[in-house]
Amino acid sequence: AQSVAQPEDQVNVAEGNPLTVKCTYSVSGNPYLFWYVQYPNRGLQFLLKYITGDNLVKGSYGFEAEFNKSQTSFHLKKPSALVSDSALYFCAVRDRGNTGKLIFGQGTTLQVKP
Amino acid sequence: DTGVSQDPRHKITKRGQNVTFRCDPISEHNRLYWYRQTLGQGPEFLTYFQNEAQLEKSRLLSDRFSAERPKGSFSTLEIQRTEQGDSAMYLCASSLATRAYEQYFGPGTRLTVT
Repeated sequence: AQSVAQPEDQVNVAEGNPLTVKCTYSVSGNPYLFWYVQYPNRGLQFLLKYITGDNLVKGSYGFEAEFNKSQTSFHLKKPSALVSDSALYFCAVRDRGNTGKLIFGQGTTLQVKP
Repeated sequence: DTGVSQDPRHKITKRGQNVTFRCDPISEHNRLYWYRQTLGQGPEFLTYFQNEAQLEKSRLLSDRFSAERPKGSFSTLEIQRTEQGDSAMYLCASSLATRAYEQYFGPGTRLTVT
């Protein structure tokens, strides 16, 4: 079965420092991987996706993610964190077949302190 | 606003009552998904439609849950005889069938069963 894991419940980083939010995946076949962000009492906002191609994917709000097939990872990164980046981040993988169903990790809370 | 909308945003109900939620997808999107998110967890797939046809239902969707998309536009999710365990955020997402991996999420309906 397709799955993703986010090993950290919370990541703390100082404003201006680089941030990394970790995600590992387990899939059969080629993975379609995604990052979403959720602000309090809001729905999920799409950040970026990896389908194929370059291992470094650039997305919204200055975020990027690195696909690493040998380590089965898809970590989210940003060179310089902002306080406004504080939110809940979800990694997701598309399920097998053509349903488009997404399977989400449990989420990582990012706290950026001034 | 051309995004996905959901109504109501919040619902408080007593155990045993029936509730119905509505989702209006992006107008040209023919796929519509329902997910449930409980506190501290990532969203979990419930069901999805392509046009008016309900093509897959999760085992999470007990007999008390029913979803419809009668004209292939908006969708409703009804929960009968609510239980405290139904308390969650119910998220709706839509996409084109040809780009099912690009799902756009609504703000969600937060259900509290007392």
